[in-house]
Amino acid sequence: AQKVTQAQTEISVVEKEDVTLDCVYETRDTTYYLFWYKQPPSGELVFLIRRNSFDEQNEISGRYSWNFQKSTSSFNFTITASQVVDSAVYFCALSVNTNAGKSTFGDGTTLTVKP
Amino acid sequence: ETGVTQSPTHLIKTRGQQVTLRCSSQSGHNTVSWYQQALGQGPQFIFQYYREEENGRGNFPPRFSGLQFPNYSSELNVNALELDDSALYLCASSLANRGNQETQYFGPGTRLLVL
Repeated sequence: AQKVTQAQTEISVVEKEDVTLDCVYETRDTTYYLFWYKQPPSGELVFLIRRNSFDEQNEISGRYSWNFQKSTSSFNFTITASQVVDSAVYFCALSVNTNAGKSTFGDGTTLTVKP
Repeated sequence: ETGVTQSPTHLIKTRGQQVTLRCSSQSGHNTVSWYQQALGQGPQFIFQYYREEENGRGNFPPRFSGLQFPNYSSELNVNALELDDSALYLCASSLANRGNQETQYFGPGTRLLVL
Protein backbone atom coordinates (compact mmCIF):
# COMPACT_ATOMS: atom_id res chain seq x y z
CA ALA A 1 0.00 0.00 0.00
CA GLN A 2 1.08 3.55 -0.60
CA LYS A 3 1.00 6.44 1.81
CA VAL A 4 1.71 10.17 1.57
CA THR A 5 2.21 12.31 4.65
CA GLN A 6 2.11 16.08 4.69
CA ALA A 7 2.82 16.84 8.32
CA GLN A 8 2.22 20.58 8.02
CA THR A 9 -1.50 21.17 8.13
CA GLU A 10 -1.32 24.96 7.90
CA ILE A 11 1.46 27.42 7.21
CA SER A 12 1.22 31.19 7.35
CA VAL A 13 3.91 33.50 5.99
CA VAL A 14 4.28 37.13 5.09
CA GLU A 15 4.67 38.08 1.47
CA LYS A 16 8.22 37.73 0.08
CA GLU A 17 9.19 35.09 2.63
CA ASP A 18 10.41 31.72 1.40
CA VAL A 19 8.37 28.70 2.44
CA THR A 20 8.94 24.95 2.18
CA LEU A 21 6.14 22.40 2.12
CA ASP A 22 7.15 18.92 3.25
CA CYS A 23 6.06 15.63 1.74
CA VAL A 24 7.06 12.14 2.86
CA TYR A 25 5.91 9.06 0.99
CA GLU A 26 5.86 5.29 1.47
CA THR A 27 5.80 2.66 -1.24
CA ARG A 28 7.39 -0.71 -1.91
CA ASP A 29 7.34 -0.13 -5.65
CA THR A 30 10.54 0.91 -7.35
CA THR A 31 8.78 2.68 -10.21
CA TYR A 32 6.51 5.52 -9.24
CA TYR A 33 5.58 9.11 -9.90
CA LEU A 34 5.44 11.94 -7.40
CA PHE A 35 3.29 15.01 -7.95
CA TRP A 36 2.47 18.36 -6.47
CA TYR A 37 -0.90 20.01 -7.07
CA LYS A 38 -2.30 23.38 -6.06
CA GLN A 39 -5.96 23.71 -5.09
CA PRO A 40 -7.26 27.28 -4.93
CA PRO A 41 -10.61 28.03 -3.25
CA SER A 42 -12.42 27.30 -6.52
CA GLY A 43 -11.62 23.62 -5.96
CA GLU A 44 -9.91 22.63 -9.20
CA LEU A 45 -6.61 20.82 -8.70
CA VAL A 46 -3.84 22.44 -10.71
CA PHE A 47 -0.93 20.24 -11.73
CA LEU A 48 2.45 21.71 -10.77
CA ILE A 49 5.06 19.01 -11.29
CA ARG A 50 5.64 15.31 -11.87
CA ARG A 51 8.84 13.55 -10.87
CA ASN A 52 9.76 10.01 -11.96
CA SER A 53 11.30 7.78 -9.30
CA PHE A 54 14.39 7.29 -11.45
CA ASP A 55 15.07 10.99 -11.75
CA GLU A 56 16.38 12.53 -8.56
CA GLN A 57 17.41 15.79 -10.09
CA ASN A 58 15.97 18.78 -8.37
CA GLU A 59 13.88 21.12 -10.46
CA ILE A 60 13.32 24.84 -10.51
CA SER A 61 10.48 26.62 -12.26
CA GLY A 62 10.43 30.32 -11.63
CA ARG A 63 9.82 30.85 -7.92
CA TYR A 64 9.04 27.16 -7.42
CA SER A 65 11.60 24.46 -6.69
CA TRP A 66 11.38 20.82 -5.72
CA ASN A 67 13.81 18.66 -3.77
CA PHE A 68 13.45 14.90 -4.33
CA GLN A 69 15.45 12.63 -2.00
CA LYS A 70 14.85 8.89 -2.32
CA SER A 71 17.10 8.21 0.69
CA THR A 72 14.58 9.92 2.97
CA SER A 73 11.49 9.29 0.79
CA SER A 74 10.81 12.98 0.63
CA PHE A 75 9.67 15.32 -2.11
CA ASN A 76 9.64 18.84 -0.71
CA PHE A 77 8.35 21.96 -2.41
CA THR A 78 9.79 25.44 -1.89
CA ILE A 79 8.23 28.73 -2.92
CA THR A 80 10.71 31.58 -3.03
CA ALA A 81 9.57 35.15 -2.42
CA SER A 82 5.99 34.08 -1.76
CA GLN A 83 3.08 36.12 -3.05
CA VAL A 84 -0.52 36.48 -1.92
CA VAL A 85 -1.63 34.58 -5.04
CA ASP A 86 0.28 31.54 -3.75
CA SER A 87 -2.34 31.15 -1.00
CA ALA A 88 -4.00 27.76 -1.58
CA VAL A 89 -4.03 24.18 -0.43
CA TYR A 90 -1.10 22.19 -1.79
CA PHE A 91 -1.22 18.44 -2.22
CA CYS A 92 1.56 15.95 -2.70
CA ALA A 93 0.59 12.71 -4.45
CA LEU A 94 2.13 9.36 -5.36
CA SER A 95 1.23 6.93 -8.13
CA VAL A 96 2.80 3.57 -8.91
CA ASN A 97 3.14 1.61 -12.13
CA THR A 98 3.33 4.80 -14.14
CA ASN A 99 -0.41 5.36 -13.79
CA ALA A 100 -0.98 8.93 -12.72
CA GLY A 101 -4.70 8.31 -12.63
CA LYS A 102 -4.48 6.09 -9.56
CA SER A 103 -2.80 8.50 -7.22
CA THR A 104 -2.61 8.47 -3.45
CA PHE A 105 -2.80 11.97 -2.02
CA GLY A 106 -1.65 13.49 1.21
CA ASP A 107 -4.11 15.54 3.23
CA GLY A 108 -2.67 18.80 2.00
CA THR A 109 -1.00 21.86 3.46
CA THR A 110 -2.95 25.09 3.58
CA LEU A 111 -0.64 27.97 2.77
CA THR A 112 -1.68 31.50 3.64
CA VAL A 113 0.48 34.34 2.39
CA LYS A 114 -0.29 37.65 4.08
CA PRO A 115 0.45 41.00 2.46
CA GLU B 1 -8.16 25.71 -17.98
CA THR B 2 -7.63 21.97 -18.22
CA GLY B 3 -10.38 21.25 -20.75
CA VAL B 4 -12.08 18.94 -18.26
CA THR B 5 -15.62 19.92 -17.27
CA GLN B 6 -18.00 18.54 -14.67
CA SER B 7 -21.72 18.93 -14.01
CA PRO B 8 -23.48 19.90 -11.95
CA THR B 9 -21.29 22.19 -9.88
CA HIS B 10 -23.38 21.73 -6.75
CA LEU B 11 -25.98 19.17 -5.74
CA ILE B 12 -28.13 18.53 -2.67
CA LYS B 13 -29.65 15.10 -2.11
CA THR B 14 -31.26 13.28 0.78
CA ARG B 15 -30.10 10.06 2.35
CA GLY B 16 -31.10 6.98 0.37
CA GLN B 17 -31.39 8.75 -2.95
CA GLN B 18 -29.30 8.07 -6.03
CA VAL B 19 -27.09 10.57 -7.85
CA THR B 20 -25.31 10.78 -11.20
CA LEU B 21 -22.34 13.07 -11.70
CA ARG B 22 -20.96 13.82 -15.13
CA CYS B 23 -17.53 14.56 -16.52
CA SER B 24 -16.31 15.55 -19.95
CA SER B 25 -12.69 14.64 -20.48
CA GLN B 26 -10.06 16.50 -22.41
CA SER B 27 -10.36 15.62 -26.08
CA GLY B 28 -8.41 12.51 -27.00
CA HIS B 29 -7.94 11.32 -23.43
CA ASN B 30 -8.82 7.64 -23.17
CA THR B 31 -8.71 7.38 -19.38
CA VAL B 32 -10.77 8.96 -16.63
CA SER B 33 -10.34 8.68 -12.90
CA TRP B 34 -12.78 9.70 -10.17
CA TYR B 35 -11.85 10.92 -6.71
CA GLN B 36 -13.78 11.78 -3.57
CA GLN B 37 -12.47 14.66 -1.48
CA ALA B 38 -13.99 15.06 1.95
CA LEU B 39 -13.67 18.41 3.70
CA GLY B 40 -10.14 19.00 4.96
CA GLN B 41 -8.73 15.87 3.33
CA GLY B 42 -6.93 14.92 0.18
CA PRO B 43 -8.70 13.30 -2.77
CA GLN B 44 -9.28 9.57 -2.48
CA PHE B 45 -9.22 7.36 -5.57
CA ILE B 46 -12.60 5.81 -6.34
CA PHE B 47 -12.00 4.09 -9.69
CA GLN B 48 -10.54 4.50 -13.13
CA TYR B 49 -11.96 3.77 -16.57
CA TYR B 50 -9.80 3.05 -19.59
CA ARG B 51 -11.43 2.67 -23.00
CA GLU B 52 -14.83 2.19 -21.37
CA GLU B 53 -13.73 -0.60 -19.02
CA GLU B 54 -13.07 -0.31 -15.30
CA ASN B 55 -9.30 -0.31 -14.73
CA GLY B 56 -8.84 -0.40 -11.01
CA ARG B 57 -10.85 0.55 -7.98
CA GLY B 58 -10.10 2.09 -4.63
CA ASN B 59 -11.63 1.20 -1.29
CA PHE B 60 -15.21 2.14 -2.16
CA PRO B 61 -18.35 -0.05 -1.96
CA PRO B 62 -20.18 -1.33 -5.05
CA ARG B 63 -22.87 1.34 -4.71
CA PHE B 64 -20.27 3.59 -6.34
CA SER B 65 -20.29 2.74 -10.03
CA GLY B 66 -19.24 4.38 -13.25
CA LEU B 67 -19.48 4.50 -16.99
CA GLN B 68 -17.22 5.85 -19.69
CA PHE B 69 -18.50 6.66 -23.16
CA PRO B 70 -16.75 6.80 -26.55
CA ASN B 71 -17.21 10.58 -26.74
CA TYR B 72 -14.78 11.17 -23.82
CA SER B 73 -17.60 11.69 -21.31
CA SER B 74 -18.11 9.65 -18.17
CA GLU B 75 -20.45 9.26 -15.22
CA LEU B 76 -20.15 8.48 -11.55
CA ASN B 77 -23.27 6.93 -10.01
CA VAL B 78 -23.83 6.60 -6.30
CA ASN B 79 -26.78 4.59 -5.00
CA ALA B 80 -28.32 4.64 -1.53
CA LEU B 81 -26.64 7.88 -0.55
CA GLU B 82 -25.26 8.19 2.96
CA LEU B 83 -24.43 11.32 4.93
CA ASP B 84 -20.71 10.52 4.64
CA ASP B 85 -20.96 10.71 0.86
CA SER B 86 -21.04 14.51 1.20
CA ALA B 87 -17.85 15.64 -0.49
CA LEU B 88 -16.26 17.22 -3.54
CA TYR B 89 -16.15 14.73 -6.40
CA LEU B 90 -13.36 15.25 -8.88
CA CYS B 91 -12.79 13.65 -12.21
CA ALA B 92 -9.44 13.65 -13.95
CA SER B 93 -8.62 12.68 -17.50
CA SER B 94 -5.38 11.36 -18.86
CA LEU B 95 -3.93 9.77 -21.95
CA ALA B 96 -2.58 6.25 -21.63
CA ASN B 97 0.36 5.84 -23.96
CA ARG B 98 2.00 2.40 -24.03
CA GLY B 99 0.74 1.78 -20.52
CA ASN B 100 2.03 5.06 -19.16
CA GLN B 101 -0.24 7.77 -17.87
CA GLU B 102 2.10 10.54 -16.98
CA THR B 103 -0.23 13.34 -16.06
CA GLN B 104 -3.89 13.73 -15.18
CA TYR B 105 -5.94 16.87 -15.59
CA PHE B 106 -8.67 17.65 -13.11
CA GLY B 107 -12.07 19.16 -13.57
CA PRO B 108 -13.51 21.75 -11.16
CA GLY B 109 -15.49 19.16 -9.23
CA THR B 110 -19.06 18.63 -8.10
CA ARG B 111 -19.91 19.47 -4.51
CA LEU B 112 -22.43 16.97 -3.20
CA LEU B 113 -24.31 17.52 0.04
CA VAL B 114 -26.36 14.67 1.46
CA LEU B 115 -28.96 15.64 4.05
